[in-house]
Amino acid sequence: DAGITQSPRHKVTETGTPVTLRCHQTENHRYMYWYRQDPGHGLRLIHYSYGVKDTDKGEVSDGYSVSRSKTEDFLLTLESATSSQTSVYFCAISPKANTGELFFGEGSRLTVL
Amino acid sequence: DQQVKQNSPSLSVQEGRISILNCDYTNSMFDYFLWYKKYPAEGPTFLISISSIKDKNEDGRFTVFLNKSAKHLSLHIVPSQPGDSAVYFCAARGRYGGSQGNLIFGKGTKLSVKP
Repeated sequence: DAGITQSPRHKVTETGTPVTLRCHQTENHRYMYWYRQDPGHGLRLIHYSYGVKDTDKGEVSDGYSVSRSKTEDFLLTLESATSSQTSVYFCAISPKANTGELFFGEGSRLTVL
Repeated sequence: DQQVKQNSPSLSVQEGRISILNCDYTNSMFDYFLWYKKYPAEGPTFLISISSIKDKNEDGRFTVFLNKSAKHLSLHIVPSQPGDSAVYFCAARGRYGGSQGNLIFGKGTKLSVKP
């Protein structure tokens, strides 16, 4: 077990409010990722981090920001949530270098009303 | 435009028979292809992968075949078991520097294995 926890696991919020999702790992891996999963789209990369304070954008980064102040924590922030950001969000780490293999957390289901 | 395509949204197979899940891709620069399995309300779990320099990789009941000329890969599950019922995602990794985990996922195929 690679030791990823996501919080909160479920959240309902209103349009325009800020939301922060937290990903915590106990394995000291360098790379961490945020993906979203939507029906008809599979999983899409939002942002990733390759070290403390080192982050970069993924395929669907608009409307999201991230921060990584410690190796173990990777935060995803929606500054002003919109209904199109209703989704299931997955955090992931790379336990094996150079293989593309990811270990995912259990997901955070976000509903924006 | 989709770079990784899983054209079958669902597949139903009898227990004990072979399940074949298919995936097509468009980008010849992908260097790794992976299959993930996902149960409801859980995160995806890694199943098996194949490097672009190989054409087959086997792990127990699971075998992945890669046909580079056709830009096609398939996952074979033999024999299929009811516990294999899940959504299967095909994913590909670009052959570029930077993140190891920038995967492009297909939309998934829901496999149902009937007892």
